[in-house]
Amino acid sequence: DQQVKQNSPSLSVQEGRISILNCDYTNSMFDYFLWYKKYPAEGPTFLISISSIKDKNEDGRFTVFLNKSAKHLSLHIVPSQPGDSAVYFCAASALSSSGDKLTFGTGTRLAVRP
Amino acid sequence: NAGVTQTPKFQVLKTGQSMTLQCAQDMNHNSMYWYRQDPGMGLRLIYYSASEGTTDKGEVPNGYNVSRLNKREFSLRLESAAPSQTSVYFCASSPTVSSYEQYFGPGTRLTVT
Repeated sequence: DQQVKQNSPSLSVQEGRISILNCDYTNSMFDYFLWYKKYPAEGPTFLISISSIKDKNEDGRFTVFLNKSAKHLSLHIVPSQPGDSAVYFCAASALSSSGDKLTFGTGTRLAVRP
Repeated sequence: NAGVTQTPKFQVLKTGQSMTLQCAQDMNHNSMYWYRQDPGMGLRLIYYSASEGTTDKGEVPNGYNVSRLNKREFSLRLESAAPSQTSVYFCASSPTVSSYEQYFGPGTRLTVT
């Protein structure tokens, strides 16, 4: 049972335009959400996060939106740059007695065309 | 400051062979994790160590063992490798088990034939 879903395996965007990556989740206990970026042959690196008490978090060109009622979050990249081409993973966390563990989505491969 | 390092980068095993994947971090983090990444599956947690001296199972622990050797090092052992364990393995660390942000190593690509 995939609790965190990224239904678009790939996305292609023109340089300078907006990239929107989507993520849906099913577990209502998730209270913190993160986006990771992964280049080939490297490990994922943390990009941006949002707590469930917020609906928006912005960091430079990257903005994450959270819609708790729809159990949906999205990552907006504006403007998109060729260096943004990577695989983006959505992750979610639910506080438990054994600490927080991340549940990852399957990833969306973003290609930014020059 | 190297962050999280993993050895080896690549490995090919025959079915039934054993091996240990090594992971070390130099950020003085308390918590460490092992994930596997398979096509179409995202990253799945194998084992984690909330602090030195403790280890716990994650989502897919079968066929693996771990050792938290000290605060810096967390190893993953495959006792009898199977083709289903062909994957890319990532080690990660975080300041504590309640720190959401995890720092990942570069990965080990393992093929079991």
